[in-house]
Amino acid sequence: QVQLQQWGAGLLKPSETLSLTCAVYGGSFSGYYWSWIRQPPGKGLEWIGEINHSGSTNYNPSLKSRVTISVDTSKNQFSLKLSSVTAADTAVYYCARCITIFGVVIMESWFDPWGQGTLVTVSS
Amino acid sequence: QSALTQPASVSGSPGQSITISCTGTSSDVGSYNLVSWYQQHPGKAPKLMIYEVSKRPSGVSNRFSGSKSGNTASLTISGLQAEDEADYYCCSYAGSSTHVVFGGGTKLTVL
Repeated sequence: QVQLQQWGAGLLKPSETLSLTCAVYGGSFSGYYWSWIRQPPGKGLEWIGEINHSGSTNYNPSLKSRVTISVDTSKNQFSLKLSSVTAADTAVYYCARCITIFGVVIMESWFDPWGQGTLVTVSS
Repeated sequence: QSALTQPASVSGSPGQSITISCTGTSSDVGSYNLVSWYQQHPGKAPKLMIYEVSKRPSGVSNRFSGSKSGNTASLTISGLQAEDEADYYCCSYAGSSTHVVFGGGTKLTVL
């Protein structure tokens, strides 16, 4: 059974870079896309982006200029960096496995399982 | 503002059935059978309940069902139980540029 465990700094100052890592245990790392999703306090979910084992990435167009997702296949881990954070980036950040459908382009179908979530607060 | 529109709240009594709608556009829900639904209890990570519009993962109660008509997807929960009280989010593939969109979430209250 695949499990995701995530960690990273929980308190940042404005303009700093958010950095989170997610480790995958108990299943195949290749053959999937691995995603980051966030949830501001009391609000809905927002997809940030994804990466596969080969390092191919896709990002939310609204965050693309500030987001970098990377992968370390030797450790079955993937990481998120979000630069120039502001208070609007305060959220619980989740990592999740994305099941995709392969056609002319890859199509994201569903997310399962999810990590436990990490609250990241941006405050001066 | 979320890309997919859900009612902010729905409620029902134990044993009743409720339906949560998720309205998108012809660029997402209307074009792809790639709608999924997630249940989220307070302080917990979302849990997959329905994928590809109407498929149930192993371990999810058959009281949960999904459907789609045009640009609107729906999640129906029958035989409501107290443990169903949670927030529910819909999600859809939205094309090769946007990729993924979520709904704003619906709070289900079991009266």
